[in-house]
Amino acid sequence: GEDVEQSLFLSVREGDSSVINCTYTDSSSTYLYWYKQEPGAGLQLLTYIFSNMDMKQDQRLTVLLNKKDKHLSLRIADTQTGDSAIYFCAEIRREYGNKLVFGAGTILRVKS
Amino acid sequence: DVKVTQSSRYLVKRTGEKVFLECVQDMDHENMFWYRQDPGLGLRLIYFSYDVKMKEKGDIPEGYSVSREKKERFSLILESASTNQTSMYLCAARGRDTEAFFGQGTRLTVV
Repeated sequence: GEDVEQSLFLSVREGDSSVINCTYTDSSSTYLYWYKQEPGAGLQLLTYIFSNMDMKQDQRLTVLLNKKDKHLSLRIADTQTGDSAIYFCAEIRREYGNKLVFGAGTILRVKS
Repeated sequence: DVKVTQSSRYLVKRTGEKVFLECVQDMDHENMFWYRQDPGLGLRLIYFSYDVKMKEKGDIPEGYSVSREKKERFSLILESASTNQTSMYLCAARGRDTEAFFGQGTRLTVV
């Protein structure tokens, strides 16, 4: 398909792990990104993964990349209420001059 | 530590007005982007620019134009604002194959 796809909504309990999934389209994307948008704020880069990696871990965040299936996931361990936000995955799409293409975002709600 | 600055956080304009949204970056990046963000639709690319005076249409350029006269400044222009252009507008800048830095966004309401 043409779109970067994400599920719309995820609700977890505080302390549990959250897994946000994304399916992208361009197999030649060199970098794949996860951005976080807190209420009323702009987007901030959360983490990224280079396409020759399968996994990247950064404190509570784990990014898994399955290039064969063009599937990207973000796992947040020990989810906190401050993690409640919208999470966007993004790919660099070479066919359109290296533009950054975003999914529609996954709303993560953390219940205490 | 500000990297990308959008000139206004909130704007209210009347239908038919010409609207300018300004974006300035201090990172000397070649690429700059304008997105709009609507509920359930995520970010959609309006226009982008990969160099001074260069511009490319994104996915939804209709009703918009852009100007990049200087490397650090990328302006989005609504030639004749309409109510369906009420949205959150986000500007971004990035170098080649690097992360994009976003401004705080401009929430535009067209009445």
